[in-house]
Amino acid sequence: GDSVTQMEGPVTLSEEAFLTINCTYTATGYPSLFWYVQYPGEGLQLLLKATKADDKGSNKGFEATYRKETTSFHLEKGSVQVSDSAVYFCALSDQGNTPLVFGKGTRLSVIA
Amino acid sequence: DGGITQSPKYLFRKEGQNVTLSCEQNLNHDAMYWYRQDPGQGLRLIYYSQIVNDFQKGDIAEGYSVSREKKESFPLTVTSAQKNPTAFYLCASRIQETQYFGPGTRLLVL
Repeated sequence: GDSVTQMEGPVTLSEEAFLTINCTYTATGYPSLFWYVQYPGEGLQLLLKATKADDKGSNKGFEATYRKETTSFHLEKGSVQVSDSAVYFCALSDQGNTPLVFGKGTRLSVIA
Repeated sequence: DGGITQSPKYLFRKEGQNVTLSCEQNLNHDAMYWYRQDPGQGLRLIYYSQIVNDFQKGDIAEGYSVSREKKESFPLTVTSAQKNPTAFYLCASRIQETQYFGPGTRLLVL
């Protein structure tokens, strides 16, 4: 079945450092790919998405490119802030209304 | 203001008691989902519904029940059969390929 693998955390960075969180997927079809962010005590918020190969999703300085050849959707940000400290989830959506498949999440801590 | 609401924010359950978590959406989404999240863990799917009056079990349905009598509502009941209910419960709805989440309910056992 479909699956998502993302890098284990926690990831600790200094403010203004470059961020990469790796995400790879296995899917039988042509899924849509997502990054969600969860701040402490809150629900998940959609951060960005890409629906087809070579699409780049971007939001709030975060970017991810849908790479079909490497089955990857790595999250990047050029300069992180303390307010970016959260848990980040990679996910994929296959056909219909079947539930999204989520990775296990990566906790990011940014220190001043 | 459109969105997904979950209530209450915190819920306390006594031993042997059933409790119901509310999830309401005014986004006109057909599909709705319930997830459980334990501390420091990812999401586990409890139940989902693709259309009114229909729902399917997820990966950890035992000890839980749901109903979907209205498009906008998908309540989750945590029954006394669920022996370890303490967790953060997240409701979501979906339009096309994208799921949107509510703010969550934290359930604690007294």
